[in-house]
Amino acid sequence: AQSVTQLGSHVSVSEGALVLLRCNYSSSVPPYLFWYVQYPNQGLQLLLKYTTGATLVKGINGFEAEFKKSETSFHLTKPSAHMSDAAEYFCAVSSLKSYKLIFGSGTRLLVRP
Amino acid sequence: DAGITQSPRYKITETGRQVTLMCHQTWSHSYMFWYRQDLGHGLRLIYYSAAADITDKGEVPDGYVVSRSKTENFPLTLESATRSQTSVYFCASSEFPTDTQYFGPGTRLTVL
Repeated sequence: AQSVTQLGSHVSVSEGALVLLRCNYSSSVPPYLFWYVQYPNQGLQLLLKYTTGATLVKGINGFEAEFKKSETSFHLTKPSAHMSDAAEYFCAVSSLKSYKLIFGSGTRLLVRP
Repeated sequence: DAGITQSPRYKITETGRQVTLMCHQTWSHSYMFWYRQDLGHGLRLIYYSAAADITDKGEVPDGYVVSRSKTENFPLTLESATRSQTSVYFCASSEFPTDTQYFGPGTRLTVL
């Protein structure tokens, strides 16, 4: 079975500071990994995804994530936070064997002026 | 407009009533999904569909029924609503099973 753990239900950063949202996964087969963002009262929007190939994945709005198989991690980073980044972020995993998307419980990012 | 839409956006109902949430997508994606979002649980898969007339259970299917007679529509029915089904429901679609899923805006359902 696959699972996702997001460390920290809330993360608070100052505008301009580094954003780091942590995601660890469990999967017995090669995983497909996703980060989605949810703005208030909206659906989820894909930020980036890893399937195969390059382990450093760049997404929209300056976000990137690195797939580290040895650490079973897929942490999301952004060098400089912007007020508009305040939202809830979800890490998710699937695979060719089980294409159901399994979500973590989410991390709410707060950006302080 | 192209995309994925859900209706209604907000719904209040009473325990024991039947409720149907609608989902419509214009991309002709083969795969469609229903999730519920609850605090502390993230999104959990209720049902999914690989094509018209092909549906299967997800993680939390009890109390829900789905159908898919047309590729573009995937309604979710709560046959006898319970308070525990108070949640935000999201529909999603994708072209391939492991491809990016595109989400609708959600339906906030309250069961009194």
